[in-house]
Amino acid sequence: AQSVAQPEDQVNVAEGNPLTVKCTYSVSGNPYLFWYVQYPNRGLQFLLKYITGDNLVKGSYGFEAEFNKSQTSFHLKKPSALVSDSALYFCAVREGVSGNTPLVFGKGTRLSVIA
Amino acid sequence: EPEVTQTPSHQVTQMGQEVILRCVPISNHLYFYWYRQILGQKVEFLVSFYNNEISEKSEIFDDQFSVERPDGSNFTLKIRSTKLEDSAMYFCASGAESSYNEQFFGPGTRLTVL
Repeated sequence: AQSVAQPEDQVNVAEGNPLTVKCTYSVSGNPYLFWYVQYPNRGLQFLLKYITGDNLVKGSYGFEAEFNKSQTSFHLKKPSALVSDSALYFCAVREGVSGNTPLVFGKGTRLSVIA
Repeated sequence: EPEVTQTPSHQVTQMGQEVILRCVPISNHLYFYWYRQILGQKVEFLVSFYNNEISEKSEIFDDQFSVERPDGSNFTLKIRSTKLEDSAMYFCASGAESSYNEQFFGPGTRLTVL
């Protein structure tokens, strides 16, 4: 069965500093990996995805993520954090080529960027 | 930019009552999903729907739940007899043809069962 682990409930970072939100996954086949962000009282917004190819994936709002197959990780990064990046971040994985395959989410990491 | 919409934004109901949550997916998408998020917990898959039938469902999606695409645009989730533990944020999502594509989520309906 697929699973996603986000080991940190909360990440605090000062504005302007680099940020990392960690994610590891477990699948039996090829992973399709996603990051979503949730702002208060809002739905989930897609940030970026890894399907195949280059291990460094660039997404919305200056975020990027690095796929590491040997460590089964897909950490979310940003070189310089903004206060407006404060939100709840979810890593998700899906396995298989069918569009019916659901996303399996981690429990989320709350990012707090302090001015 | 096209987006998934959901109504109502907040639904309050009494235990044992039926509720219908409504979603309008992105128009050219073929896959439709419902997820839920109990307060403070992770987002959980309920059901996926394709070609007018359920494709996959989780253990949560028991006989109290049903989905329907009554016309060409709406996608609904019905809970037949609500329980207190059904209180959650319910998200509708839709996706294009390939599983390579991301799922687009609506803003959610907060269901409160009293």
